[in-house]
Amino acid sequence: QKEVEQDPGPLSVPEGAIVSLNCTYSNSAFQYFMWYRQYSRKGPELLMYTYSSGNKEDGRFTAQVDKSSKYISLFIRDSQPSDSATYLCARADGLTFGKGTHLIIQP
Amino acid sequence: DTGVSQDPRHKITKRGQNVTFRCDPISEHNRLYWYRQTLGQGPEFLTYFQNEAQLEKSRLLSDRFSAERPKGSFSTLEIQRTEQGDSAMYLCASSLPGGKLFFGSGTQLSVL
Repeated sequence: QKEVEQDPGPLSVPEGAIVSLNCTYSNSAFQYFMWYRQYSRKGPELLMYTYSSGNKEDGRFTAQVDKSSKYISLFIRDSQPSDSATYLCARADGLTFGKGTHLIIQP
Repeated sequence: DTGVSQDPRHKITKRGQNVTFRCDPISEHNRLYWYRQTLGQGPEFLTYFQNEAQLEKSRLLSDRFSAERPKGSFSTLEIQRTEQGDSAMYLCASSLPGGKLFFGSGTQLSVL
């Protein structure tokens, strides 16, 4: 079992929809995670850190951690075509990344 | 802040040749990371440095791979006797301790 797992998608939604991206982790020793966005042929860029539990908001983005189920979510409100990218969750120390979920926002 | 710079952007080589990639981190960042990424996968950690000290290496980093950061500034990643399975994007990132990782745009390696 990989330490951080994501459904690779693709996930296709219409513009303006709320997007839910999910990640699971296996090692309870690590409580902080990060969400990265990666456009094609570019390096990942950090979107946001999570708290150890609960919700963290930043503009249209909300990161949520459920420690009991070891589940990490990223919600994107009012999705835009420019949000089309691969979204990666990772341990906060940067040593383990998920495979990423490919998101497509349809205009 | 010019960001993390990687050179070259693309490298095509023949199997068995040696290749070397360079990474210039953000100047005040003392941590530097190398990753490998193949299509449809997330970045896989290879190694990281704090200043000139190589603090951790992944099991993925075989004997054919070596990384250096001689003066605690730029870093090089060398792959000896390349194999077709080495074809991937090689990413570099830098950070302050415990801080946000900033990634470069990567070096795309194709081994023919």
